[in-house]
Amino acid sequence: EPEVTQTPSHQVTQMGQEVILRCVPISNHLYFYWYRQILGQKVEFLVSFYNNEISEKSEIFDDQFSVERPDGSNFTLKIRSTKLEDSAMYFCASKMTRNTGELFFGEGSRLTVL
Amino acid sequence: KQEVTQIPAALSVPEGENLVLNCSFTDSAIYNLQWFRQDPGKGLTSLLLIQSSQREQTSGRLNASLDKSSGRSTLYIAASQPGDSATYLCAVRPERYSGAGSYQLTFGKGTKLSVIP
Repeated sequence: EPEVTQTPSHQVTQMGQEVILRCVPISNHLYFYWYRQILGQKVEFLVSFYNNEISEKSEIFDDQFSVERPDGSNFTLKIRSTKLEDSAMYFCASKMTRNTGELFFGEGSRLTVL
Repeated sequence: KQEVTQIPAALSVPEGENLVLNCSFTDSAIYNLQWFRQDPGKGLTSLLLIQSSQREQTSGRLNASLDKSSGRSTLYIAASQPGDSATYLCAVRPERYSGAGSYQLTFGKGTKLSVIP
């Protein structure tokens, strides 16, 4: 069964360092998303991406964050200068159609900022 | 602002029991509602998606209902098994985010289910 894959599964970094989280969405999907979940808290929306541009972003997604689809398969989330509060599980998700259809999530990348 | 609440926060049942998980949302103007399962330290697995025009969806031992006007959804699990132990999340997509490419789900905090053998 097609799935969303994410790498790395866990990354430990020092505060102030740049981090890139990678995702390979399901191949025929057109809409891509990043969500995050701080330990013990709700899953929160970060950003949605379609047709090579951001279509929506939340208040969390400030200038330190960026997304990119550098080729036909990868979808990346970059955090320019990590802060302690960026420690969370980051989930990539994708879906095929604009309106209906399920959102499929990857297994997540756990980011620990020291 | 949409708020999603799930009650109870945790539930422990003996194997074989039928159970109901509850989800409520404050803004009834939703496009659809999705139930997910999350195993510890893992990603989210989609269980059921209910469009706002639907009343229920079924998949195997799972049945989800939606009462949009009252802002409620339930997930019914029949004949529970130890393998059903996980956290169950519900998430809603508001109508106003129905534009091209957008899909901002608002999640509840989940119900942690333990099925005792």
